[in-house]
Amino acid sequence: QVQLVQSGAEVKRPGASVKVSCKASGYTFTGYYMNWVRQAPGQSLEWLGWIDPYTGGTNYAQRFQGKVTMTRDTSISTVYMDLSSLTSDDTAVYFCARESGRVVADAFDIWGQGTMVTVSS
Amino acid sequence: DIQMTQSPSFLSASVGDRVTITCRASQSISTYLNWYQQKPGKAPKLLMYAASSLQSGVPSRFSGSGSGTDFTLAISSLQPEDFATYYCQQTYSTPRIFGQGTRLEIK
Repeated sequence: QVQLVQSGAEVKRPGASVKVSCKASGYTFTGYYMNWVRQAPGQSLEWLGWIDPYTGGTNYAQRFQGKVTMTRDTSISTVYMDLSSLTSDDTAVYFCARESGRVVADAFDIWGQGTMVTVSS
Repeated sequence: DIQMTQSPSFLSASVGDRVTITCRASQSISTYLNWYQQKPGKAPKLLMYAASSLQSGVPSRFSGSGSGTDFTLAISSLQPEDFATYYCQQTYSTPRIFGQGTRLEIK
């Protein structure tokens, strides 16, 4: 079945970086953009950006420019989200989500289970 | 950036009730408006896309309407499993902004 499986929870010190993976299965990996969305405790959903797995092209939210890097490895159908210079404000659950395509209004139809990233000294 | 404003932020209702949640965009987004349901500790789940299209597998008691800047999600005859938080999202342009959420609780 179509699914996205993310890597496990992380605990990081302030100033460190974290890399979260998202492995896709059950569909053509290069056929759909992949988004990253985060959710701080008790807060709404915040979009970080997307990567086109076919070309490797990216589109980051302006506030995350220089802080986030999205990459992919087509040989293992996996995308990665690297977040640098971590602060306590980056403590959140990070989700990958497949963008369905223009016919379906680019809705996020498949989501990973989420990865908790905790930044604490 | 396009801003999305949901109302109400909190809603208390009973099983069997009909409820509506509204979402307003700061500029026209045509029908590039999606609705998600999220339960505690879980990933969001797509309910409606393109303002009024029901995602496969979603019960028909959910419906959506609107275009331009004003949108509505309606749930007829609330079931116990519908008590959750609901988010709207615009995909007309980037950044893909979400509303602040509507928490639906049992009265």
